[in-house]
Amino acid sequence: GQQLNQSPQSMFIQEGEDVSMNCTSSSIFNTWLWYKQDPGEGPVLLIALYKAGELTSNGRLTAQFGITRKDSFLNISASIPSDVGIYFCAGQLFAPYNTDKLIFGTGTRLQVFP
Amino acid sequence: GAGVSQSPSNKVTEKGKDVELRCDPISGHTALYWYRQRLGQGLEFLIYFQGNSAPDKSGLPSDRFSAERTGESVSTLTIQRTQQEDSAVYLCASSLAGVYGYTFGSGTRLTVV
Repeated sequence: GQQLNQSPQSMFIQEGEDVSMNCTSSSIFNTWLWYKQDPGEGPVLLIALYKAGELTSNGRLTAQFGITRKDSFLNISASIPSDVGIYFCAGQLFAPYNTDKLIFGTGTRLQVFP
Repeated sequence: GAGVSQSPSNKVTEKGKDVELRCDPISGHTALYWYRQRLGQGLEFLIYFQGNSAPDKSGLPSDRFSAERTGESVSTLTIQRTQQEDSAVYLCASSLAGVYGYTFGSGTRLTVV
């Protein structure tokens, strides 16, 4: 199935460091979302972006919807141990029919060391 | 219910057998989605339900895969004649139509041996 290109694949950082990850697509999206998945659980929505160029913050998280509608990034500031997990971007396609279907990125695995 | 519930949480089956995976969405959520997540991979879209109809089945990988939804509630994903490549976590999500950011269940981990 179709997936978005997400980088980096994995990150190993020290507690307190900032983190940045991004997602690119060949398709235009009208919505970008970022999810976090803990082991054995389903993904949980972190932040949603609805407009090209939009910059949105949620606590230590900041995400941007690229102006071309084909990319997005997520920053995490001052990382803490509970930030460990897999982060996924997801985009909603413009579709001829309304499915609200999300296409997911390949994921970024984050490990935080104390 | 309070969240999306999936059962069973784990299923081990022999190659060639049929399996049924169940999803109970959040009460009142009209949209329901099935995704597959292979080990270390992202989520692959399988099928979308709006109410009891499935306007988008484009992600079902073969005719061995089917899904239905009844009463605008419970959905069942059926995999016939399972193969080893079907081993994955199958995730269900639900949402109010037109509201972004679904709520996911914890998934069913399927292992075909």
